[in-house]
Amino acid sequence: GQNIDQPTEMTATEGAIVQINCTYQTSGFNGLFWYQQHAGEAPTFLSYNVLDGLEEKGRFSSFLSRSKGYSYLLLKELQMKDSASYLCAVSDNDYKLSFGAGTTVTVRA
Amino acid sequence: IAGITQAPTSQILAAGRRMTLRCTQDMRHNAMYWYRQDLGLGLRLIHYSNTAGTTGKGEVPDGYSVSRANTDDFPLTLASAVPSQTSVYFCASSVSAGGGNEQFFGPGTRLTVL
Repeated sequence: GQNIDQPTEMTATEGAIVQINCTYQTSGFNGLFWYQQHAGEAPTFLSYNVLDGLEEKGRFSSFLSRSKGYSYLLLKELQMKDSASYLCAVSDNDYKLSFGAGTTVTVRA
Repeated sequence: IAGITQAPTSQILAAGRRMTLRCTQDMRHNAMYWYRQDLGLGLRLIHYSNTAGTTGKGEVPDGYSVSRANTDDFPLTLASAVPSQTSVYFCASSVSAGGGNEQFFGPGTRLTVL
């Protein structure tokens, strides 16, 4: 079975930094994805980690520790448009994705 | 280039009726997927297809069937809809099933079963 946990909601101020944690216990591991989903829209790909460490992509960074079953998504220099849900997803032995319930981030002015 | 499209955008359906949700991609992706998204539960995989002509069951396949006659189309059928199938349905595709290939999602179909 798959167990993927992330906080339900987070609030932060424009220009600040927010870190969204994701812990997982899965049967097999072939990488971890982060997706962004604005309300009423489809998820869109943000990042993929398969090795331990930090991957940086502009204002967004993603970190993975396989031994701890832990990842985080770091959003820097928050903008109003970053208000969205952020989905953590783990790829299992068969390369199928299991998603967490998502973290809704609200950016305040 | 459309990417991945779904139809209908939304539908209200009486319980017991048959319904097919359509999904088409023009990216020549080998792998396609159907998910449902429910509040508090996240996206859950219903069925998938790694390549044309093959399909597999995901986490929540009961009450749903799929077919993959060609690369582009991956319809999802509810043979006899029930209220618990009220959800938002997303179709997705990826270049292939393995590795770190990102999945591209369609715009979704909002289905209400009364």
